[in-house]
Amino acid sequence: EVQLVESGGGLVKPGGSLRLSCVASGFTFSSHSMNWVRQAPGKGLEWVSSISSSSFYIYHADSVKGRFTISRDNAKNSLYLEMNSLRAEDTAVYYCARDDGDLFGYFDLWGRGTLVTVSS
Amino acid sequence: DIQMTQSPSTLSASVGDRVTITCRASQSIRDLLAWYQQKPGKAPKLLIYKTSRLESGVPSRFSGSGSGTEFTLTISSLQPDDFATYYCQQSESYSYTFGQGTKLDI
Repeated sequence: EVQLVESGGGLVKPGGSLRLSCVASGFTFSSHSMNWVRQAPGKGLEWVSSISSSSFYIYHADSVKGRFTISRDNAKNSLYLEMNSLRAEDTAVYYCARDDGDLFGYFDLWGRGTLVTVSS
Repeated sequence: DIQMTQSPSTLSASVGDRVTITCRASQSIRDLLAWYQQKPGKAPKLLIYKTSRLESGVPSRFSGSGSGTEFTLTISSLQPDDFATYYCQQSESYSYTFGQGTKLDI
């Protein structure tokens, strides 16, 4: 089955760190760029980070630049998001999303999401 | 960053209606616009990419048009399953941005 499964979310204190993972199955992971998109409770979608198929190109939203790092391991069909210096405004459901190609810019497969809550 | 503005924010309609949602970009994005549908508690679903290309499996009652800075998503005859929130998203810039969403309700 073609799917993306996120994990690693949870409750963390402000200033803390968390690492999200996304495992892909059912397709050639190394042929697609990958993305993280988040959604704060009751709010809209916000793109967070993108990484090209070979990891050569990496992009982060200004809101997370310097705090979050996207990475991938094509041998393990896995995508990661290392999140440091977390703030209350980072509280959201984080979705892993597949690009239809390599940096085509639209997302044709999404995971169910993992909830990150930043609170003391 | 390129700002994306959708209108209206909320749209009330009935089954069988034809509805149109507009998305405006703060600068030209050529045809690099996608539309997504999201239902409560679910992940978004890609409907249309590159302004007017229908994603596989998406009903033909959905269509998209536009270019440059103004784009529309049209649903020709609303079905009960279409009541959801819709988002546009640009990919002209690698700092991808979404519109704020349009909630379509009964």
